[in-house]
Amino acid sequence: EVQLVESGGGLVQPGRSLRLSCTASGFTFGDYAMSWVRQAPGKGLEWVGFIRSKTYGGTTEYAASVKGRFTISRDDSKSIAYLQMNSLKTEDTAVYYCTSSSRRVPRGAFDIWGQGTMVTVSS
Amino acid sequence: DIQMTQSPSSLSASVGDRVTITCQASQDISNYLNWYQQKPGKAPKLLIYDASNLETGVPSRFSGSGSGTDFTFTISSLQPEDIATYYCQQYNNLPRTFGQGTKVEIK
Repeated sequence: EVQLVESGGGLVQPGRSLRLSCTASGFTFGDYAMSWVRQAPGKGLEWVGFIRSKTYGGTTEYAASVKGRFTISRDDSKSIAYLQMNSLKTEDTAVYYCTSSSRRVPRGAFDIWGQGTMVTVSS
Repeated sequence: DIQMTQSPSSLSASVGDRVTITCQASQDISNYLNWYQQKPGKAPKLLIYDASNLETGVPSRFSGSGSGTDFTFTISSLQPEDIATYYCQQYNNLPRTFGQGTKVEIK
């Protein structure tokens, strides 16, 4: 079964850091780009960024709202994608989802999702 | 960035009604448009990709159309289990962007 499981969420003070993990199973993780999408309480979906597979250079792209503060990385040997969040702001409070695209759909369509992990930034 | 504008932001319809949601892109995105369904407390679920392709396992009462800047999502006969918020999303450009969502309720 194809699965993504996020972990690492919690309560953190403004200005501090937090690292989220996304553990994949049921597919060849290294072949796929991994994305992060977030959803603030009661709000819509916001794309955070993604990391390409090593085949495509393993490079990253970010939304302007997190660029320079968030870093996405991957460990293909462990099938884990990470979202390192630094200099957190109250507006980063959200459920964070990791997501990916299976071979059945275009690379820009997200058909594999984790259950999400809640990050609360508050003093 | 490409702005995605969905309308309406919410709607209420009866079981069996035809429901239509529109999504307008701020620039031409060809057919690089997806539709998702999200139920409360759950992750989004891909329903339609490339504007009109039904994801495997998704009921045929869901459909999508359009290209360029104007897109339509339709539920041909609303069912109680379709109560959710629906989002469009473009992947023509980075950053990927979503519409603000349309909440569908039963009248």
